[in-house]
Amino acid sequence: KNQVEQSPQSLIILEGKNCTLQCNYTVSPFSNLRWYKQDTGRGPVSLTIMTFSENTKSNGRYTATLDADTKQSSLHITASQLSDSASYICVVSAIGNAGNMLTFGGGTRLMVKP
Amino acid sequence: NAGVTQTPKFQVLKTGQSMTLQCAQDMNHNSMYWYRQDPGMGLRLIYYSASEGTTDKGEVPNGYNVSRLNKREFSLRLESAAPSQTSVYFCASRTRFLTPAYEQYFGPGTRLTVT
Repeated sequence: KNQVEQSPQSLIILEGKNCTLQCNYTVSPFSNLRWYKQDTGRGPVSLTIMTFSENTKSNGRYTATLDADTKQSSLHITASQLSDSASYICVVSAIGNAGNMLTFGGGTRLMVKP
Repeated sequence: NAGVTQTPKFQVLKTGQSMTLQCAQDMNHNSMYWYRQDPGMGLRLIYYSASEGTTDKGEVPNGYNVSRLNKREFSLRLESAAPSQTSVYFCASRTRFLTPAYEQYFGPGTRLTVT
């Protein structure tokens, strides 16, 4: 069964600090991996997307890495801001189903404190 | 562009009542999706519509029905609500084109409580 596991479940950091969120997946055959940011009470919004051939993708202070061999991804947030407080969701798509079936991780809830 | 809109934002139902959640998108997307999000769990696909006129079951379709009314609108119906259907429901849509890799755009969600 396709699965996406994220760690830690929750994280508290001080404003200005860096942090790294982890994602392990067993989705096969792999197509692409995305990271979404979900603010409280809102829908998820895409941060990055990586295909099999990409191992790093940046979006401002967010940098995602992908190791397709070990089936791991990480999301690194640099110089955190209060507005980074949100849930971060790792989503993996398998080849087939025309991309209609995504496997979602349970998310990491990040709180940035002043 | 409003993107993906959902109504209502909040709803409380009694067990056995029925209701329809509405979703509309103004991005001319072909595919639309309904998900539910429960605490500590990833989003799970209930139903999807790959194109106007077609609907398919997702991972957790039991207790739900859908209608793809036209290209813009995709509704989710609970015929006889149960407490297990208490959840936050998200609608999403995406273009049929590959870039960027079938990205889905999500609505703001409907928080449903069944007592």
